[in-house]
Amino acid sequence: AQSVSQHNHHVILSEAASLELGCNYSYGGTVNLFWYVQYPGQHLQLLLKYFSGDPLVKGIKGFEAEFIKSKFSFNLRKPSVQWSDTAEYFCAVNSGNYGQNFVFGPGTRLSVLP
Amino acid sequence: DGGITQSPKYLFRKEGQNVTLSCEQNLNHDAMYWYRQDPGQGLRLIYYSQIVNDFQKGDIAEGYSVSREKKESFPLTVTSAQKNPTAFYLCASSLRGTSGELAKNIQYFGAGTRLSVL
Repeated sequence: AQSVSQHNHHVILSEAASLELGCNYSYGGTVNLFWYVQYPGQHLQLLLKYFSGDPLVKGIKGFEAEFIKSKFSFNLRKPSVQWSDTAEYFCAVNSGNYGQNFVFGPGTRLSVLP
Repeated sequence: DGGITQSPKYLFRKEGQNVTLSCEQNLNHDAMYWYRQDPGQGLRLIYYSQIVNDFQKGDIAEGYSVSREKKESFPLTVTSAQKNPTAFYLCASSLRGTSGELAKNIQYFGAGTRLSVL
């Protein structure tokens, strides 16, 4: 069975610091990759996605992620974080044609200090 | 407004009681999903449904039941057999496809229901 791991449980940064959240998955075939974000008190929303093509994908709010197939990784980055980026971030992988293969990582809680 | 509506926002269950969580979507999505979110464990799939009158067990279906009588609705019942029901429950929906773009299964989520045991 495929699995998704996220390197950090909780990350604390000051405003303007750079961010990189790690995500690795275990499936060896074709995958679709996602990052979802859950702001405090809000529902889970899609931050960005990778299906094919350019491995560097850009999402909303200045986030980007790079798919490195050889490393089975899909790390999330942002050059300069803001206090409003405080949230929980989930990496997810869909390996098949059906939703039942949609697997989420355990999440990384990001706290940005003003 | 298009979206997914979950109700109630908070729910309390007594010992031995079954409770039902509501999930309604007006996105005209074929597929719907129920996840359970626990701290440090991310989201785990309970049940999913690709079409009306059909549903499949996910990774942690024991102690839960669902129905899919209408495309818009996918209620989840937490039965008394679920010994550790305290969690945050998320409903999601997506377009359904077996190939091409629709197979990407981008999921859209409701605001969640927090279930606690009295």
